[in-house]
Amino acid sequence: QVTLKESGPVLVKPTETLTLTCTVSGFSLSHATVGVSWVRQPPGEALEWLAHIFSNDEKSYSTSLKNRLTISKDTSKSQVVLTMANVDPVDTATYFCARISRVDYDLDYWGQGTLVAVSS
Amino acid sequence: EIVLTQSPGTLSLSPGERATLSCKASQSLSNRYLTWYQQKPGQAPRRLISGASNRATGIPDRFSGSGSGTDFTLTISRLEPDDFAVYYCQHYGDSPPYTFGQGTRLELK
Repeated sequence: QVTLKESGPVLVKPTETLTLTCTVSGFSLSHATVGVSWVRQPPGEALEWLAHIFSNDEKSYSTSLKNRLTISKDTSKSQVVLTMANVDPVDTATYFCARISRVDYDLDYWGQGTLVAVSS
Repeated sequence: EIVLTQSPGTLSLSPGERATLSCKASQSLSNRYLTWYQQKPGQAPRRLISGASNRATGIPDRFSGSGSGTDFTLTISRLEPDDFAVYYCQHYGDSPPYTFGQGTRLELK
């Protein structure tokens, strides 16, 4: 059974760095045909793709957030970590991690999401 | 950057009716990596259609996807009460960002 679970702070202050962890089970981060993406959704707004990472350490980032995002993985811990530097209140959102399949490049399994508020 | 424009923004229909949702890309998606997702309030999105037209496992056959190039369509042949939700398309084109459309809200008339 494939599951993903996001964890991280509920509240972050402006200018701080946000660190989110996605812990996966039911598949290995070393598998060649899958990876993990991060997607966020501000309250009442649309989904926004942020970044992904594959087993070969191939990474891609949102062009608008590229300078602030870092994605990494720890295969032994089955975790993918996303850091976002210099957060702002507009970064308040629910952050989802999802498994991406190289077959159709789709997000086939999703975590439940974690709501992060940025406020002083 | 490829921009996906979904229309209409809101679609008001009744159970039993047919729903047609559009997703238009600003550039041709030569690889057809276009996915449709359904999202209900307070839930994570759920994959419906991959590769523009392939129904995901467990998705009822009343959902179908079509299209290529820049024009893609999600059709729900006979709406059921459980289908009223927000629908998003997303592309995985040649290069990032792999954007989502702004969504179509399917609401009960």
